[in-house]
Amino acid sequence: GAGVSQSPSNKVTEKGKDVELRCDPISGHTALYWYRQSLGQGLEFLIYFQGNSAPDKSGLPSDRFSAERTGGSVSTLTIQRTQQEDSAVYLCASSPSHGSLSEQYFGPGTRLTVT
Amino acid sequence: GESVGLHLPTLSVQEGDNSIINCAYSNSASDYFIWYKQESGKGPQFIIDIRSNMDKRQGQRVTVLLNKTVKHLSLQIAATQPGDSAVYFCAENAGGTSYGKLTFGQGTILTVHP
Repeated sequence: GAGVSQSPSNKVTEKGKDVELRCDPISGHTALYWYRQSLGQGLEFLIYFQGNSAPDKSGLPSDRFSAERTGGSVSTLTIQRTQQEDSAVYLCASSPSHGSLSEQYFGPGTRLTVT
Repeated sequence: GESVGLHLPTLSVQEGDNSIINCAYSNSASDYFIWYKQESGKGPQFIIDIRSNMDKRQGQRVTVLLNKTVKHLSLQIAATQPGDSAVYFCAENAGGTSYGKLTFGQGTILTVHP
């Protein structure tokens, strides 16, 4: 079946603009995760959603970052007033449940460049 | 804060050799570890995992070793192939209120020469 998809694959934006990144998880997966990967670095946890529970937002770096998940499926990560340090690859993953850490399937990521 | 890190940022081997990738972690509460492989332009792909009640786990051509005494994790790849060339990350989870959150190491670039 289809894997996790993300759009756009690449996004170039000017400093100060808002951006929205989209994630389509695998159908039926109840847990969804967002990570950020800066150049040459490991992944940094941002936020995760599990079913109808309140999301764990503890990894969001500032109040410019927010995410929502509509209908328990598609998720959008929004970055307001982008800064150059926001440039990174933003990865989304989904899993059958939040306990299935070994079953996190990652999307290809969105490469964000802030000029 | 506590983190997971890697000793070697790059590793270059010949095809057919065995590869060993190391990872040090500092969170003594971590009880679950995963190794991921990430190829260029793709998201990380699960390779193998291990829980803290184990010190060794084997998969197909891969073995993960866990030494809780020194907080060290390693990934061994047998008969390394050019297709194994990628960035390898270790990740850890501490359970409890951190359940669902993985902390990733910096990554090791593995290059396999034919």
